[in-house]
Amino acid sequence: AQKITQTQPGMFVQEKEAVTLDCTYDTSDPSYGLFWYKQPSSGEMIFLIYQGSYDQQNATEGRYSLNFQKARKSANLVISASQLGDSAMYFCAMNANTDKLIFGTGTRLQVFP
Amino acid sequence: DVKVTQSSRYLVKRTGEKVFLECVQDMDHENMFWYRQDPGLGLRLIYFSYDVKMKEKGDIPEGYSVSREKKERFSLILESASTNQTSMYLCASSLLRGQRRNTIYFGEGSWLTVV
Repeated sequence: AQKITQTQPGMFVQEKEAVTLDCTYDTSDPSYGLFWYKQPSSGEMIFLIYQGSYDQQNATEGRYSLNFQKARKSANLVISASQLGDSAMYFCAMNANTDKLIFGTGTRLQVFP
Repeated sequence: DVKVTQSSRYLVKRTGEKVFLECVQDMDHENMFWYRQDPGLGLRLIYFSYDVKMKEKGDIPEGYSVSREKKERFSLILESASTNQTSMYLCASSLLRGQRRNTIYFGEGSWLTVV
């Protein structure tokens, strides 16, 4: 069975600091994709970053990077230089040989001045 | 830009009512999804459709049904609403790829309260 685990219900970070949001996954399929989404208080889900299981390098998108450790089955999101607008829920998700995404329970990030 | 539109942002319904949540996407996507989001539980897949009139159960289909008569429209139906169906419902769509890199696009969500 496939599973995504996010163990941090909430995180705090000071503006301009970096923060790491944890995500571990479980799948027996060697081919899979990992995603991170941001959900502001408005409710919309915003796609942030993608990592494929066969990708050789860690994915980066602007201030977002994905720390992919395949042996440990972890796919942590790193946000550099946090901004107040980064305050939101963050969800890790996975698909494996299917178009369906399964999600973790999310981490609420709060950025303070 | 992909646009996924959910017909109602906020709804209040009575127990036992039949409830329709409508979703339309404008990018000719084959796949459409309905998720339910609850605090501490994340997003859970209710139903998935990869083609007109085709549907698959997700992780929590009990108490729900779906309809996809046209490619762009995917409806979630609560046959007899109950208070434990009070939640936020998110519709999403994506291309049919059967591959890993397939970004799913979400609507803004529908907040349903059953009283």
